[in-house]
Amino acid sequence: SAVISQKPSRDICQRGTSLTIQCQVDSQVTMMFWYRQQPGQSLTLIATANQGSEATYESGFVIDKFPISRPNLTFSTLTVSNMSPEDSSIYLCSVEVQSRWPYEQYFGPGTRLTVT
Amino acid sequence: SQKIEQNSEALNIQEGKTATLTCNYTNYSPAYLQWYRQDPGRGPVFLLLIRENEKEKRKERLKVTFDTTLKQSLFHITASQPADSATYLCALWEAGGTSYGKLTFGQGTILTVHP
Repeated sequence: SAVISQKPSRDICQRGTSLTIQCQVDSQVTMMFWYRQQPGQSLTLIATANQGSEATYESGFVIDKFPISRPNLTFSTLTVSNMSPEDSSIYLCSVEVQSRWPYEQYFGPGTRLTVT
Repeated sequence: SQKIEQNSEALNIQEGKTATLTCNYTNYSPAYLQWYRQDPGRGPVFLLLIRENEKEKRKERLKVTFDTTLKQSLFHITASQPADSATYLCALWEAGGTSYGKLTFGQGTILTVHP
């Protein structure tokens, strides 16, 4: 398994500003993922972040709005840019534990974002 | 279109009974399927993974079945306890064409176990 921490755990932000969410893992992992969970909804994948390459974004998500950094094998950041109230959500990072195929995926505790 | 459906948004059972949660999917060819537990305000917690060529997997009081013909997975909690009350999510992993592949989640079933 993997232990994942996220910062901040929650934040209230004003529209038009940006927030950077940090994700730290206790072991080196190749693949990291960022998800969004809107109120009462299930998880939706935003992007896949492989260390050493640019993140791959899912349909409906763009780099200008959700830039991602992946500087090393234990850390990633997701920025929510130019926020609007529609961005209010829980943002979760997750990692694959690649001990053997198929890979189990573990999640951080999430960052609860409220945009006013 | 692709769809993952989990039975009823909410399931209420008495303590000691077996809870059975259903996950049906259409237009997917998943390599494997995972079940997660999510408590309010927390991230999902991994419970079990079952491959496409496996029929059944067990872990303590948990049992998962996977029928790729019916396109269905069943998740059982035997001897349920109030502490099992949570939202349970199924998720399918499907290989991408040119991309890595991804995990797609169902909407979840809220399980409440009454003492």
